[in-house]
Amino acid sequence: NAGVTQTPKFRILKIGQSMTLQCAQDMNHNYMYWYRQDPGMGLKLIYYSVGAGITDKGEVPNGYNVSRSTTEDFPLRLELAAPSQTSVYFCASSYPDKASSSYNSPLHFGNGTRLTVT
Amino acid sequence: AQKITQTQPGMFVQEKEAVTLDCTYDTSDQSYGLFWYKQPSSGEMIFLIYQGSYDEQNATEGRYSLNFQKARKSANLVISASQLGDSAMYFCAMRELGPSGGYNKLIFGAGTRLAVHP
Repeated sequence: NAGVTQTPKFRILKIGQSMTLQCAQDMNHNYMYWYRQDPGMGLKLIYYSVGAGITDKGEVPNGYNVSRSTTEDFPLRLELAAPSQTSVYFCASSYPDKASSSYNSPLHFGNGTRLTVT
Repeated sequence: AQKITQTQPGMFVQEKEAVTLDCTYDTSDQSYGLFWYKQPSSGEMIFLIYQGSYDEQNATEGRYSLNFQKARKSANLVISASQLGDSAMYFCAMRELGPSGGYNKLIFGAGTRLAVHP
């Protein structure tokens, strides 16, 4: 099983450029998440989605946009990249289908995208 | 407001000894989930153990156990018989209610870096 796949693995952007980080999962998980991890720090939640067509802001959503048109894909869009967005970005997904019984489901993480903005 | 607190930025332990990594949390929910993840130097996030707020027994998974003290709002990770491969960052995380009423937001602490010495 591929699990959660993130592309690209590495990217260097110039200030002001835009890009989309791709995330796909093949586990039929309803919930998907985007986190960023700054050097030596913990993970901060950017956006998350509980199903196709539904997204919510996390702790640090400014400067990012997401969409969820299918169960499998959850791309993260960076508009007007800034040096403060230099980070490692992790996509994750979790089961199950019903929100009321989801609190014991661990997240399955992708391997991350290392982004540098200069 | 900070929800997960890991007060130990770094910890050292001798190989084969046990070590406890601290985690305290803040929530007003009655139902919640607590997770521990390991992040080795290679960067991937590895799920270790889960504890539900209604679980009466402390969770155990092999050499990992979770010392859950609900009244004190603490969920410490205990690693027994430490191995050199346990050297990594360890993150405590809590799943709390999202705005749609489902348990879908997983919030992470800042992490503890564990070094196992031979």
